[in-house]
Amino acid sequence: DAGVIQSPRHEVTEMGQEVTLRCKPISGHNSLFWYRQTMMRGLELLIYFNNNVPIDDSGMPEDRFSAKMPNASFSTLKIQPSEPRDSAVYFCASSLEAYDLAKNIQYFGAGTRLSVL
Amino acid sequence: GQNIDQPTEMTATEGAIVQINCTYQTSGFNGLFWYQQHAGEAPTFLSYNVLDGLEEKGRFSSFLSRSKGYSYLLLKELQMKDSASYLCASFVYGNNRLAFGKGNQVVVIP
Repeated sequence: DAGVIQSPRHEVTEMGQEVTLRCKPISGHNSLFWYRQTMMRGLELLIYFNNNVPIDDSGMPEDRFSAKMPNASFSTLKIQPSEPRDSAVYFCASSLEAYDLAKNIQYFGAGTRLSVL
Repeated sequence: GQNIDQPTEMTATEGAIVQINCTYQTSGFNGLFWYQQHAGEAPTFLSYNVLDGLEEKGRFSSFLSRSKGYSYLLLKELQMKDSASYLCASFVYGNNRLAFGKGNQVVVIP
């Protein structure tokens, strides 16, 4: 398996622009997670899906952020409008099953490094 | 809450042993995960502990004390490639999230 695939790897955009990050989880994994990592705050969970359904979006910072999972093999995280404080590395991860600790080993994609100018 | 506390940085010599500590304060705690993250790369899974005691996986071992809210990762026979950040994360049934600490940077020197 190719692992979790994220695109783009790097994104530079101007404040106010829309940003869309993409993720393909590992085939057969039922749970998908979006994280943001910064030096100040570390690795923070934004939202996770189980069987394509959003379960917990309490980490989504504000209404400018939205995430979708239209099918088992694709998810997007959208920021509209983007702001400089959104600059961070965004990781997508997947696991077999979020509800079972032994099956919740999360495998991370390579991340998207976002810079908002 | 799920406050995760890790010291920030340590330096160790190649071939040595280093212990990375992690304390957590959480109710409903059910397990503790360790991840390794090289600079500019994604976190990769190392191990997890559910029960008290030591879990050994080659050069890496992880220990858990549920009563003390404490875990450590032991890295033996350090190699240069072990230079990385090591993150601990607690798992709580109910919210089914991994709450990550900020990580401990280990620098291995010759």
